[in-house]
Amino acid sequence: DAGVTQSPTHLIKTRGQQVTLRCSPKSGHDTVSWYQQALGQGPQFIFQYYEEEERQRGNFPDRFSGHQFPNYSSELNVNALLLGDSALYLCASSLGGPGVNTIYFGEGSWLTVV
Amino acid sequence: DQQVKQNSPSLSVQEGRISILNCDYTNSMFDYFLWYKKYPAEGPTFLISISSIKDKNEDGRFTVFLNKSAKHLSLHIVPSQPGDSAVYFCAASFTQGGSEKLVFGKGTKLTVNP
Repeated sequence: DAGVTQSPTHLIKTRGQQVTLRCSPKSGHDTVSWYQQALGQGPQFIFQYYEEEERQRGNFPDRFSGHQFPNYSSELNVNALLLGDSALYLCASSLGGPGVNTIYFGEGSWLTVV
Repeated sequence: DQQVKQNSPSLSVQEGRISILNCDYTNSMFDYFLWYKKYPAEGPTFLISISSIKDKNEDGRFTVFLNKSAKHLSLHIVPSQPGDSAVYFCAASFTQGGSEKLVFGKGTKLTVNP
């Protein structure tokens, strides 16, 4: 049973460029959330996708956008990269629906903006 | 405005002794609390959780205590083992629009010395 998988694991981009990060949720999960973890900080919620729609969004600018596909996989896109976007980007998956469900994290994608 | 606070950035204990990690929160709407463990270069791994209607949850060597009146929770690990050395994140959740969004503290780095 594959857990949450993310790609790429590491990448370096130049300021002003655009980046796309990918995530496949844990088998059977239909909800994907993205988090940004800066150095020395806890993960910060970016947004969540369920049934191919953005269900909730954290305090991140519109440069951060996403998408969920019919197979529940998801992409995170960041436009006009800034140096401050350098961080570990974590994808988390869970089962949607009522009640609290355990959220599982992938190993993350390390983004360095130079 | 940090809603979940872990005021101790690091903790060092001797193998076999008890480790106590603390967490405070400010938002009384939180209804579920979780602890995650994170090794370097890996994503956070779910450890244990507690609902706001309970005051204790135990799973093997790990016990989480919740004091709602003080808006405080703690994770007890006993006995501590060197393999427990990692960064521990406290997270809180509240349903909003039918979804779950985690709010994390900054983490406490636990070192268990042999």
